[in-house]
Amino acid sequence: DSGVTQTPKHLITATGQRVTLRCSPRSGDLSVYWYQQSLDQGLQFLIHYYNGEERAKGNILERFSAQQFPDLHSELNLSSLELGDSALYFCASSVDFSSYNSPLHFGNGTRLTVT
Amino acid sequence: DQQVKQNSPSLSVQEGRISILNCDYTNSMFDYFLWYKKYPAEGPTFLISISSIKDKNEDGRFTVFLNKSAKHLSLHIVPSQPGDSAVYFCAASAMETGNQFYFGTGTSLTVIP
Repeated sequence: DSGVTQTPKHLITATGQRVTLRCSPRSGDLSVYWYQQSLDQGLQFLIHYYNGEERAKGNILERFSAQQFPDLHSELNLSSLELGDSALYFCASSVDFSSYNSPLHFGNGTRLTVT
Repeated sequence: DQQVKQNSPSLSVQEGRISILNCDYTNSMFDYFLWYKKYPAEGPTFLISISSIKDKNEDGRFTVFLNKSAKHLSLHIVPSQPGDSAVYFCAASAMETGNQFYFGTGTSLTVIP
């Protein structure tokens, strides 16, 4: 158990809809990262928050947004969903501002299926 | 642009033998490398890391080797056990982009009893 909690585990929704994925980091971790894993792809970095502030953006679509709340949990909002958004979405946390030299701890992911 | 590549999608090894998983990268700025292990329906779990000042790091049955000139790293598992059957991802980071890890596409290892 990594200590990172993601809900829900599975989500099935229709194209055009909006969903919210939730992540609670490990106790004491201030950084939250979101990654997307599509079929046969590696994990693609989406966005990083540290102590409530956005710190880095990766390949995140404009239809996607995220935030980290004062209690350090984070939400990833996906809107105007398309079939290609179907993927596993992972949240990871670490204690430091920079994950350099510090491994990330991953949750079990949310599997999103867009029909 | 896949900066970290794992060219073998799968690998099968007999129990007790050595498993060698390979990873290549293109960005010479990468200086911190990790291996993660992932079981079905679980998130990736950190396994072992190596910084570019070293060429080898060991942790029990797991050893990671780094060849900076070839931009290549490998994970050796000796001896392999059935419980090692999982998908293994390599990842790389650079101090300048410390917020972002670049992951390979994974190698599925099957250890045959």
